[in-house]
Amino acid sequence: KNQVEQSPQSLIILEGKNCTLQCNYTVSPFSNLRWYKQDTGRGPVSLTIMTFSENTKSNGRYTATLDADTKQSSLHITASQLSDSASYICVVSAAGANNLFFGTGTRLTVIP
Amino acid sequence: GAVVSQHPSWVICKSGTSVKIECRSLDFQATTMFWYRQFPKQSLMLMATSNEGSKATYEQGVEKDKFLINHASLTLSTLTVTSAHPEDSSFYICSARTDVSSYKEQFFGPGTRLTVL
Repeated sequence: KNQVEQSPQSLIILEGKNCTLQCNYTVSPFSNLRWYKQDTGRGPVSLTIMTFSENTKSNGRYTATLDADTKQSSLHITASQLSDSASYICVVSAAGANNLFFGTGTRLTVIP
Repeated sequence: GAVVSQHPSWVICKSGTSVKIECRSLDFQATTMFWYRQFPKQSLMLMATSNEGSKATYEQGVEKDKFLINHASLTLSTLTVTSAHPEDSSFYICSARTDVSSYKEQFFGPGTRLTVL
């Protein structure tokens, strides 16, 4: 069964601190993995997209890693800001399929 | 970057009425558009997939007669919630995909909050 699991479900950190969010998946055959940021009441916005051959990709203070062997990905946020408070969703695309498989997200709250 | 818009951003309606939500890709042609529904604190759930000029493909459990999808052009898709009931209250998000990029990336709209009284 194609599944995407994220941890933790929620996370509270102090402004300026770093954090790492985890994503495990069982989607096969694998095409690509995406991390999205979703602010409350808004649609998801793409942060990174990685294919099988990519191990890491950065977008500003966001760095995603991918281990296709263990089917794990992480999203590292450096020097967090209050505006980073949002849900972060891991999404995996299966090769040859229309569907995306969504994780349930990690709700990040950055406090001053 | 690619922009997808939705209109309206929020709507409140009485039970039994129909509501139409528009989804537009503003600066690219979308080969495929997707409609999702998201309940509070849950992830997005795919409702249907539509290609321009053809009938939408609905996910299991989604009533096609209740959620009418029209994909009139490569830049416009509409979702009509017919005879809406309070249980249809949700956050509806569309996405548009271009096959130009090798990733076949989907770009999401900002969502429409539907509240049925």
